[in-house]
Amino acid sequence: DAGITQSPRHKVTETGTPVTLRCHQTENHRYMYWYRQDPGHGLRLIHYSYGVKDTDKGEVSDGYSVSRSKTEDFLLTLESATSSQTSVYFCAISDPVGDYGYTFGSGTRLTVV
Amino acid sequence: GDSVTQMEGPVTLSEEAFLTINCTYTATGYPSLFWYVQYPGEGLQLLLKATKADDKGSNKGFEATYRKETTSFHLEKGSVQVSDSAVYFCAPMDTGRRALTFGSGTRLQVQP
Repeated sequence: DAGITQSPRHKVTETGTPVTLRCHQTENHRYMYWYRQDPGHGLRLIHYSYGVKDTDKGEVSDGYSVSRSKTEDFLLTLESATSSQTSVYFCAISDPVGDYGYTFGSGTRLTVV
Repeated sequence: GDSVTQMEGPVTLSEEAFLTINCTYTATGYPSLFWYVQYPGEGLQLLLKATKADDKGSNKGFEATYRKETTSFHLEKGSVQVSDSAVYFCAPMDTGRRALTFGSGTRLQVQP
């Protein structure tokens, strides 16, 4: 979607390696989120941020960390990738001035081999 | 925390048929409610929303009414098209975290 980009779009990595996914927005929205999408589970919240350097855990945060050093960037790091982290990862942004609906990025497909 | 139950799919319909996708939720208070749609290979897009009881959200021929008494937000469309084939997600907004909780999604397949 316009205003939010994820990188990379696809990545294959080996078990045990660290991986960082990037979400970049140009909308100046306060809230940013990371979700993972897996068959049969819908989307599950990993971490979210409600401002620069303000982050909190979601339901499936184990094995993941995040950082937000500036408004436009929200990084998701898999500290030591495992096969169970093979998934599609979506970033989303939300503006509290509006209706709190999300705008989603196009997703990153991560495969851990 | 919040939870969502959606009807399992796939739902297979013929073009111009009537569509209902059921959604019920559990949440603290009275959250805003959303439906998102995901077309193959894409991210999710906001389809419609409702922010308070008895509100009706609508967009592109789809409608859903916020039913506080039954904690439901069922999605309906009077006449589906092949182009409506996608996965549909119901999601209440956690008012504390300002985060959406998604259902498992319902795949809709519309045949010509």
